[in-house]
Amino acid sequence: QSALTQPRSVSGSPGQSVTISCTGTSSDIGAYNYVSWYQQCPGKAPKVIIFDVSRRPSGVPDRFSGSKSGNTASLTISGLQAEDEAHYYCCSFVGGFNFVFGSGTEVTVL
Amino acid sequence: QVQVVESGGGVVQPGRSLRLSCAASGFTFSRYPMHWVRQAPGKGLECVAIIWPDGSNEYYGDPVKGRFTISRDNSKNTMYLQMNSLRAEDTAIYYCAWGPLFYFEYWGQGTLVTVSS
Repeated sequence: QSALTQPRSVSGSPGQSVTISCTGTSSDIGAYNYVSWYQQCPGKAPKVIIFDVSRRPSGVPDRFSGSKSGNTASLTISGLQAEDEAHYYCCSFVGGFNFVFGSGTEVTVL
Repeated sequence: QVQVVESGGGVVQPGRSLRLSCAASGFTFSRYPMHWVRQAPGKGLECVAIIWPDGSNEYYGDPVKGRFTISRDNSKNTMYLQMNSLRAEDTAIYYCAWGPLFYFEYWGQGTLVTVSS
């Protein structure tokens, strides 16, 4: 299973919106509505911020939103804040308890 | 509350073996599949191995097939990863990850494995 494709980095000024794409295939993102997104701060374990394409766990700010179209999922951070600087990974269920992760995107707040 | 705690990492020479453990609590361990996810230094996340709830089936990522073995002891709420014939490219933080649905809701703190002579 090949890694999902994400841009290496995105950046934005405080208050702006940024969108991270995650491109897969008809066997992963296109096949299931089970895309999740993880935020990873330096030296920390990943933390889920979006699951089932667009659902937010309790406690995650509503400036984080997810969507999917065809074989591509997207994470949008609206009203970017300094604390959002981190690496972000998408992940798709691919059947049989298995998952594939994206290549990761570094978000920089200018 | 749910907790997963990894242990067993360390520095090991190429070709040698190491066994990692993941102790789980706060959920009915025997009902769920469990995953090992690793992250090489400065790299992304990679699903390494998966074990079915009753241990009847396993899945391995291509880079570790034939060298790593995942297992579990449901009586001890513990999962293991036996890593043989270790290579430099196996150097990574190994995470135990779990979720009741189709995502990883809980992660351990990770255990660092360094393969170096």
